[in-house]
Amino acid sequence: AQSVTQLDSQVPVFEEAPVELRCNYSSSVSVYLFWYVQYPNQGLQLLLKYLSGSTLVKGINGFEAEFNKSQTSFHLRKPSVHISDTAEYFCAVRDGANNLFFGTGTRLTVIP
Amino acid sequence: EAGVAQSPRYKIIEKRQSVAFWCNPISGHATLYWYQQILGQGPKLLIQFQNNGVVDDSQLPKDRFSAERLKGVDSTLKIQPAKLEDSAVYLCASSLGGTRDEQFFGPGTRLTVL
Repeated sequence: AQSVTQLDSQVPVFEEAPVELRCNYSSSVSVYLFWYVQYPNQGLQLLLKYLSGSTLVKGINGFEAEFNKSQTSFHLRKPSVHISDTAEYFCAVRDGANNLFFGTGTRLTVIP
Repeated sequence: EAGVAQSPRYKIIEKRQSVAFWCNPISGHATLYWYQQILGQGPKLLIQFQNNGVVDDSQLPKDRFSAERLKGVDSTLKIQPAKLEDSAVYLCASSLGGTRDEQFFGPGTRLTVL
C-alpha cells in the first residue's frame, strides 16, 4: 500500500530565507513521487515529480526535491523563498493505476 | 489550452438534501478523477474513470455517492442524501491516460452541509 507522511503541518519562514518541507513515503511498488502546490481557492498545481533517473529533481518556481530511497524521503527545498510562495504544499505517491495518495499538507507562510 | 472546468464553485445545502457537481476535463484526456478534500487533509481519491468506464471506485461511499461519465467526456458527481461530514472541496482531475501521465486539477467545488 502507498502512503505519505508530511510531519510539518505549518512552516513559517522569513522572506529570502531557505526552506525545506519534509515528506516520507511508504510504497510496496515502484516509487513515483510528486509535490503539488495549492493556492487559496484554487486547485492543485504540479511543482515537480520523480519517476526515475536522477534523484535530484528540479521543478517550477525554483523548487527542487531529492529522492532518497534509503531514508524513504522526498523533501522539497527552495534556497530563497518569496512572499508569493505562501501556499499549501502536498506530497503524493502514485500507485500502478495512476492513483495519487496525498499527505496531509504543509502550510508554508512566508513572513515579510 | 483550457484547463479542467468545474461548477459550481461553491454550494451550501442542508443535510439530507441532494447535490450534484459537474466536471469538464481537458480535451482529449481519457482519464478522469474525483477527489474529496476535507479541511486540513490531503485530497482523497473517490473514483477514477477511463473513458466512460469505472477503473477504481473502492473509496466511493456508494450508499450516498454516485458518479457517471457519459460519452467519456464530462462527468457528474452526486451526493444523495448529504451528511454534515460531506462538507469538503471536491476536486476533479484529468490525464491523457497513460500510467505515467500527469494529472491536471480543476479549481474544485466547495460544499458546505448545514
